[in-house]
Amino acid sequence: DAKTTQPPSMDCAEGRAANLPCNHSTISGNEYVYWYRQIHSQGPQYIIHGLKNNETNEMASLIITEDRKSSTLILPHATLRDTAVYYCIVRVGGNAGNMLTFGGGTRLMVKP
Amino acid sequence: DAGVIQSPRHEVTEMGQEVTLRCKPISGHNSLFWYRQTMMRGLELLIYFNNNVPIDDSGMPEDRFSAKMPNASFSTLKIQPSEPRDSAVYFCASSLKASGRGNQPQHFGDGTRLSIL
Repeated sequence: DAKTTQPPSMDCAEGRAANLPCNHSTISGNEYVYWYRQIHSQGPQYIIHGLKNNETNEMASLIITEDRKSSTLILPHATLRDTAVYYCIVRVGGNAGNMLTFGGGTRLMVKP
Repeated sequence: DAGVIQSPRHEVTEMGQEVTLRCKPISGHNSLFWYRQTMMRGLELLIYFNNNVPIDDSGMPEDRFSAKMPNASFSTLKIQPSEPRDSAVYFCASSLKASGRGNQPQHFGDGTRLSIL
């Protein structure tokens, strides 16, 4: 699996956009980028995933660079409830990629 | 809609006792995963089932751990005998079969917080 690198922690002001970076310079052509988050005392929660095009859903946007070596998760209007650990994971598609490997993630603190 | 349901939410027991953790996946999901989370090691995959069949158990720490999925709506993770180092939060997750657009998201339960004294 491609290794991912994320900053250990970030702060964001409530109501502002939170931009969480992830480096995956060794990503291969058939590997997807997934984002999950874990709010304290809860199980991880799927946010979004993509291959090479930018993606958007009701929770967030995912921007993947053209060379696919890095990506950014954007929470457009962060709220206090978005305080969590955010995990960037790179995995192949198909059944072989079902097993997720969680790294250290980024601890996002949204402040009033 | 009911999510992944795990029981018990908390378990405290003495070392040497048998511990059984239970999971009910989301109806219609055909992949099920057991994870363990500790401060030292983070979130680790223990075992993965597809259509009730164990596919990869390479993450199971040792023979004291066993997992079963007798049907599509129920799975257990058993530790016998339990040891203090097994203390952790154990998560169960389920997903649909992978589609042509990458893998389906995994939906996690709220976990079982296990303490072995």
